[in-house]
Amino acid sequence: AQKITQTQPGMFVQEKEAVTLDCTYDTSDPSYGLFWYKQPSSGEMIFLIYQGSYDQQNATEGRYSLNFQKARKSANLVISASQLGDSAMYFCAMRPPDRGGSNYKLTFGKGTLLTVNP
Amino acid sequence: DAGVTQSPTHLIKTRGQHVTLRCSPISGHKSVSWYQQVLGQGPQFIFQYYEKEERGRGNFPDRFSARQFPNYSSELNVNALLLGDSALYLCASSPTSGRGIWELFFGEGSRLTVL
Repeated sequence: AQKITQTQPGMFVQEKEAVTLDCTYDTSDPSYGLFWYKQPSSGEMIFLIYQGSYDQQNATEGRYSLNFQKARKSANLVISASQLGDSAMYFCAMRPPDRGGSNYKLTFGKGTLLTVNP
Repeated sequence: DAGVTQSPTHLIKTRGQHVTLRCSPISGHKSVSWYQQVLGQGPQFIFQYYEKEERGRGNFPDRFSARQFPNYSSELNVNALLLGDSALYLCASSPTSGRGIWELFFGEGSRLTVL
């Protein structure tokens, strides 16, 4: 079974500073994928970044980067130069191996509420 | 380009009633997944459909059912509603091929309140 743990219920950061949101995972499968999603108060889940378990380099998407440490089973999200609009819930999620079915059965963590202060 | 659209956005039901939630995926996406998000928790997987076939089911009772239509839109049905079914129901579609194959595109959800 796959499990995602996010130990930070809430985080605060000053505008323009960087922040790291923690995520650890547990799986016995060698093949998996890790995601970060942002959920503003409107409810829509917004895709931020994806890391495959066999990807050699850490994923980056603009101001978002994923610090992937496979041996430690961690996939922390780093947001650089925080903006007021970054205030939202952030979820870490994992997908199972690609076996031709249920590829999109994501397991989510409980989330971290990020507040960016001006 | 239109994103994933869900309807209704909000609805209130009473215990024992039935509800149908609808989802239209992004054009060209053939896979649709449903998730339940209870307040204060992360989303939980309910169903995945691909090419009108059920490809995965989460740990939900048989009161929950779904289907996918030839145009790849989908319905989630919940019978005999319980108070605990109150949640945000999220639909997500996926490209299943090409760049971004693993990305799920979510709609804004249907917020169900059961009284």
